Amino acid sequence: EAQVTQNPRYLITVTGKKLTVTCSQNMNHEYMSWYRQDPGLGLRQIYYSMNVEVTDKGDVPEGYKVSRKEKRNFPLILESPSPNQTSLYFCASSTKTGSFYTFGSGTRLTVV
Amino acid sequence: QKEVEQNSGPLSVPEGAIASLNCTYSDRGSQSFFWYRQYSGKSPELIMSIYSNGDKEDGRFTAQLNKASQYVSLLIRDSQPSDSATYLCAVREGGDYKLSFGAGTTVTVRA
Repeated sequence: EAQVTQNPRYLITVTGKKLTVTCSQNMNHEYMSWYRQDPGLGLRQIYYSMNVEVTDKGDVPEGYKVSRKEKRNFPLILESPSPNQTSLYFCASSTKTGSFYTFGSGTRLTVV
Repeated sequence: QKEVEQNSGPLSVPEGAIASLNCTYSDRGSQSFFWYRQYSGKSPELIMSIYSNGDKEDGRFTAQLNKASQYVSLLIRDSQPSDSATYLCAVREGGDYKLSFGAGTTVTVRA
């Protein structure tokens, strides 16, 4: 089944403790992206990747890192999480000429 | 930053009625337009895409695009309780892979 897999689904952590949210797709998509979703603000792009070893900042990149060492994986790294990073996070992928994104199931992160 | 704005809602409609959702966008270079449906706690799923001016129908859903007015809408005919969800408008500029999303409109269909 074609899908984008995110882990974990739920995560509660403490301020300053480094964490990684994994994202993997099995569709051989070139383009991958991370979004965060907050009430009233919709989906805002954090980082995106056009292909292996090619990443760039989205609209709200502060406090996040990403890497794209393999085509299928695009992990999101929070080096020192803060409470304002409490949010619902979505990973998405698309083909180079794709008309739409396939989204992962989401990761609900709480930083206390 | 490209802006996508949707009517804030929430929108409550009786079962069987038409739900009308509106979206405006700021970037005149935008070429592709999408409507996603998102149930509470779930990921967005694509329900409609539209690329040229006019109407596009798919079952009970009709998307309408007017590039001159920078306006895209979604009509849901014969609304069902299962249509109760948040609807996200998304816009992409030609040649750019990034989707810019509106904040969403929450629709509740009353039985």
